[in-house]
Amino acid sequence: DTEVTQTPKHLVMGMTNKKSLKCEQHMGHRAMYWYKQKAKKPPELMFVYSYEKLSINESVPSRFSPECPNSSLLNLHLHALQPEDSALYLCASSQAGLSYEQYFGPGTRLTVT
Amino acid sequence: ELKVEQNPLFLSMQEGKNYTIYCNYSTTSDRLYWYRQDPGKSLESLFVLLSNGAVKQEGRLMASLDTKARLSTLHITAAVHDLSATYFCAVVPLNYGGSQGNLIFGKGTKLSVKP
Repeated sequence: DTEVTQTPKHLVMGMTNKKSLKCEQHMGHRAMYWYKQKAKKPPELMFVYSYEKLSINESVPSRFSPECPNSSLLNLHLHALQPEDSALYLCASSQAGLSYEQYFGPGTRLTVT
Repeated sequence: ELKVEQNPLFLSMQEGKNYTIYCNYSTTSDRLYWYRQDPGKSLESLFVLLSNGAVKQEGRLMASLDTKARLSTLHITAAVHDLSATYFCAVVPLNYGGSQGNLIFGKGTKLSVKP
């Protein structure tokens, strides 16, 4: 299995809602990532988990809260988002360590109203 | 400042023509990635270039890496409409202080192949 899955594919939420994005992989990868991609821009790294521990947080606002319950799952909890947070959220996974190839999921298209 | 620069950012080609996309990066890195992204879709890995002088080919695309010049190229041969997409290069800086690589992307090259 060489696939990273993400749910939901699309999400529309109001600014007062709480929702979660989910990501799963069964490739035995021990590093997982969240990226945010705005239209016509490259992906921007948000968080990195290595061996289920948060290793990188790229100064992301606290309204985004990541969680890695086990080595196969990665969640992104959303609360009190702003319209400018609307974007494609991509999850990726890789072998742990520098420079291993990252495999991307299909993404969740988030719209904040 | 860490930079990954692609050019051109927009490329309109006719079918059957050849062209090259360039990716320059400002930091020390021993590997470089090329990804393809179709509109509204995720990133598809095209090439992983692991060492200086590496050259890889898949169909009409060929990628190369010169780590001394900090330059990678993606060459398109006899373009077809199906190659229309946005192409990103990305590097992981070797001197990054974290325990896990931070993939730094170029801005992307939007390729449009017209009949």
